[in-house]
Amino acid sequence: QKEVEQNSGPLSVPEGAIASLNCTYSDRVSQSFFWYRQYSGKSPELIMSIYSNGDKEDGRFTAQLNKASQYVSLLIRDSQPSDSATYLCAVPSFSGGYNKLIFGAGTRLAVHP
Amino acid sequence: DADVTQTPRNRITKTGKRIMLECSQTKGHDRMYWYRQDPGLGLRLIYYSFDVKDINKGEISDGYSVSRQAQAKFSLSLESAIPNQTALYFCATSESGAGELFFGEGSRLTVL
Repeated sequence: QKEVEQNSGPLSVPEGAIASLNCTYSDRVSQSFFWYRQYSGKSPELIMSIYSNGDKEDGRFTAQLNKASQYVSLLIRDSQPSDSATYLCAVPSFSGGYNKLIFGAGTRLAVHP
Repeated sequence: DADVTQTPRNRITKTGKRIMLECSQTKGHDRMYWYRQDPGLGLRLIYYSFDVKDINKGEISDGYSVSRQAQAKFSLSLESAIPNQTALYFCATSESGAGELFFGEGSRLTVL
């Protein structure tokens, strides 16, 4: 089982709709979770982090965390064509005395006008 | 100028050649990483360094080596490149091991 799993997509949503991106992880002791956005041909950039069960909202973005189910999601409200990108879920993995981020393969989101 | 700079941005080489990808940063972070990205596989960690004297293998270090020449410089070498090392390579830095990563613009390597 991969440490961090995401559906590869593409997830296609119409402009103005809610896009829901999902991620599951295997390490039960993980305490922090991150969503990165990567535009085609560009480098990933952090858009959301969440540490506690429940929801965290930042503008049109909401991250949801359920540690019991080992599940984290990202909701994008009022989706815009500019949101079209690949969204990467990342979870710290502790080994060898260090924490380092492990990424999922990413979900490609396409928002069409 | 970018805070994390990678050179070269694009490189085409032949099987068996030695290749070095360089990364320099102006963010003042101690922690530096090399990832490779392949379609459908996401970002996979090759090596990471938490200070100049600390080098650690990641998930996929075979066929790669690194050098941390200074706090600001971290280079990745392919001693004898092979076609399945064709990928997009990213250098990244962070202030802490489980926090935000700052990525360079990527180095696209093609091994023929």
